[in-house]
Amino acid sequence: GAGVSQSPRYKVTKRGQDVALRCDPISGHVSLYWYRQALGQGPEFLTYFNYEAQQDKSGLPNDRFSAERPEGSISTLTIQRTEQRDSAMYRCASSLALDRQGAQETQYFGPGTRLLVL
Amino acid sequence: SQQGEEDPQALSIQEGENATMNCSYKTSINNLQWYRQNSGRGLVHLILIRSNEREKHSGRLRVTLDTSKKSSSLLITASRAADTASYFCATANGTASKLTFGTGTRLQVTL
Repeated sequence: GAGVSQSPRYKVTKRGQDVALRCDPISGHVSLYWYRQALGQGPEFLTYFNYEAQQDKSGLPNDRFSAERPEGSISTLTIQRTEQRDSAMYRCASSLALDRQGAQETQYFGPGTRLLVL
Repeated sequence: SQQGEEDPQALSIQEGENATMNCSYKTSINNLQWYRQNSGRGLVHLILIRSNEREKHSGRLRVTLDTSKKSSSLLITASRAADTASYFCATANGTASKLTFGTGTRLQVTL
């Protein structure tokens, strides 16, 4: 089956505009994660969902960032009033579920959305 | 914040040689995962090792985990030019599902 998909792949916007980034996880995957990756760095956690419930949003940098997953499948990460410092690669990942030991399953990443705020 | 640090930051070897990358982390973990990122491409999952495991193999990859030293190593044997990429370790701790990534090792394999 298809992997994790994200759209758009590239987004250029002007400072102050709102942007919405979409993630379509692997079919049947329970958990969905958002990360942000700056050039030359590893990804940093933003938020994650189990089904439609947002479980942890501790990584969202401020209240301009929000995410939803209303039907437990596709998720949207929204950045309001974008600033230049928001420019980065935004990555989505999904995983099947926790395993029987309660350990996290492998996360599979999408290709990312590269956001550039001018 | 980044949990782990990879060492070295950059590594250049010739095709056919082995490449070893190390990862150190700070807190107790459930598991540790290694990912590869080709230039401009997505993150590809390579291998997951659980905290109660010490060594794991997958093809040309060998991962070790030493929880007492809070460190892991990734060995790629008989490297190929196609192995050129950045390699990241990522940890998951407790029941938290989020991954905390290291800073990455940039591997260059030359012909």
